[in-house]
Amino acid sequence: GAVVSQHPSRVICKSGTSVKIECRSLDFQATTMFWYRQFPKQSLMLMATSNEGSKATYEQGVEKDKFLINHASLTLSTLTVTSAHPEDSSFYICSARAGDGGGDEQYFGPGTRLTVT
Amino acid sequence: LAKTTQPISMDSYEGQEVNITCSHNNIATNDYITWYQQFPSQGPRFIIQGYKTKVTNEVASLFIPADRKSSTLSLPRVSLSDTAVYYCLVGDRNRGSASKIIFGSGTRLSIRP
Repeated sequence: GAVVSQHPSRVICKSGTSVKIECRSLDFQATTMFWYRQFPKQSLMLMATSNEGSKATYEQGVEKDKFLINHASLTLSTLTVTSAHPEDSSFYICSARAGDGGGDEQYFGPGTRLTVT
Repeated sequence: LAKTTQPISMDSYEGQEVNITCSHNNIATNDYITWYQQFPSQGPRFIIQGYKTKVTNEVASLFIPADRKSSTLSLPRVSLSDTAVYYCLVGDRNRGSASKIIFGSGTRLSIRP
């Protein structure tokens, strides 16, 4: 099956700094990528949907100026957590879909554990 | 997006068949039912998808009654490695990039020796 990678797998940063997380589709071109956040013992929460070459669409309650998403190519999307605070500590997961049809399967990355100290 | 309801948790033993039922009373005509599995600190993994009746693959079966208001994921002869959270999702697969996946609470399945 298709593979989605994330880098880094873990990151620890100090409060006030910014952190960039990369999501790559390794063997297919992803027209759409999704970013999720997951707190311990909770379900995944969709943060935003990004389409290659256009601005991301954020879910209600997600600050677009704090969580910057760039989908610059068909194989790469990045999420930058700006001015990180301890409450931003979470598990961030991306997913990618190959086609533009909703029936195309969505492939998830392995996730990135962010800890803000 | 149709809301789904699943049991919060389930326990079973190795070698048993496990059935996890999901309710989706407001499922729309174009909606498909998809199940994902998630292990701790990993991304979700696709298990199975169906529209109606029965779908079977190498890891599971999915049973969907005629009214499609519920579905049952069946895991045959579970092992300890099947301990995970299982998510039932319902969505319109024909809405292109607008068909985002929204996760419900999931079912935490624990398998004992």
